[in-house]
Amino acid sequence: DSGVTQTPKHLITATGQRVTLRCSPRSGDLSVYWYQQSLDQGLQFLIQYYNGEERAKGNILERFSAQQFPDLHSELNLSSLELGDSALYFCASSVVSGGASGELFFGEGSRLTVL
Amino acid sequence: DAKTTQPTSMDCAEGRAANLPCNHSTISGNEYVYWYRQIHSQGPQYIIHGLKNNETNEMASLIITEDRKSSTLILPHATLRDTAVYYCIVRVAGVHEAGGTSYGKLTFGQGTILTVHP
Repeated sequence: DSGVTQTPKHLITATGQRVTLRCSPRSGDLSVYWYQQSLDQGLQFLIQYYNGEERAKGNILERFSAQQFPDLHSELNLSSLELGDSALYFCASSVVSGGASGELFFGEGSRLTVL
Repeated sequence: DAKTTQPTSMDCAEGRAANLPCNHSTISGNEYVYWYRQIHSQGPQYIIHGLKNNETNEMASLIITEDRKSSTLILPHATLRDTAVYYCIVRVAGVHEAGGTSYGKLTFGQGTILTVHP
């Protein structure tokens, strides 16, 4: 158990719909990262937040958005869903301290199926 | 972040050492080598990391060449549960900020599929 909690674990929806994926980082971790993993693309970095602010952005579509709240949990919003958005979405958080290793702790992922 | 090159797949017999190579010839002086693994559809798991010295923990050993252009992850006694995709990643050190140290994203390549067989 990494300490990172993602909900829901599985989600099935239809094209054109909107979903929200939620992530609770490890206690005390200020950074949250979102990744997408589809069969043909591997693990793709989407976006990173640090203490509520966007820190880095990867290949995140304009239909997708994210935010990190004051309690440090994060949400990834996916809208106008397409079949190709079907994937595993992982959230990760990282330890914050001067001597930390910088390892990322990943949740178990949310599996999104768009029909 | 520097690019890494890994073999697509490797096999290993159970109980034997698994040696997974990684090339990172363009690595910069402030970049660390990280290894993660992903067991089928689970979240990636941190294994080990290093800058220039060899490192060992309860999971594995990391051997980094003197010129830092390549490294090898060693699983000393592979078990069937070590079957996974292993990712070698190069990433800059953290940035110290008011709230602590902020670490950048990890960029995953295709990794090496390690199959441990009986």
